Amino acid sequence: DTGVSQNPRHKITKRGQNVTFRCDPISEHNRLYWYRQTLGQGPEFLTYFQNEAQLEKSRLLSDRFSAERPKGSFSTLEIQRTEQGDSAMYLCASSLQASEAFFGQGTRLTVV
Amino acid sequence: AQKVTQAQTEISVVEKEDVTLDCVYETRDTTYYLFWYKQPPSGELVFLIRRNSFDEQNEISGRYSWNFQKSTSSFNFTITASQVVDSAVYFCALSHWTGANNLFFGTGTRLTVIP
Repeated sequence: DTGVSQNPRHKITKRGQNVTFRCDPISEHNRLYWYRQTLGQGPEFLTYFQNEAQLEKSRLLSDRFSAERPKGSFSTLEIQRTEQGDSAMYLCASSLQASEAFFGQGTRLTVV
Repeated sequence: AQKVTQAQTEISVVEKEDVTLDCVYETRDTTYYLFWYKQPPSGELVFLIRRNSFDEQNEISGRYSWNFQKSTSSFNFTITASQVVDSAVYFCALSHWTGANNLFFGTGTRLTVIP
């Protein structure tokens, strides 16, 4: 399968714990995006990378959130000291330059 | 500010009926991109179309067609002869001309096609 891959698909964590999600983009895609989607809403942009450089961050990305793409391939999104409000679907997408973005199936986070 | 409004929260149609999903957008940009994505129950967003603001020609792809009207800031999506597999949530989205894919999504329209 050559699509965008996200792991894990589901994560349940206790409030206050740290969690990390991984995204593997389509192999030739140089841009990678993270979005968050809560129930009944459209996805909201969090951040994007061009190769290993993080070029834009939304104000939604609080200090507890950090994203990396160390070698310009896969990316990780870490949430520290999780809160119940962090419960959402976290979507990753990739694109070749400014062509259309292809999304993964997401990681559903539940903070209890 | 960028804003996308999908006023129809849920729509139900009987199989083989035509259905139109509405999308109205707001932007201060003179150039921009508009998108439609489909989100089936599996959760993965499936790209359907991208249209730049210079191109107001309507587009048809099989049973799908899109009507872009800059004068009314609308980018509506019609499915002809709907099928059960069309059941999903459909999102309209907007991005800056840079096309960096930091998309502003609407709240989506849940389409249910009844057999």
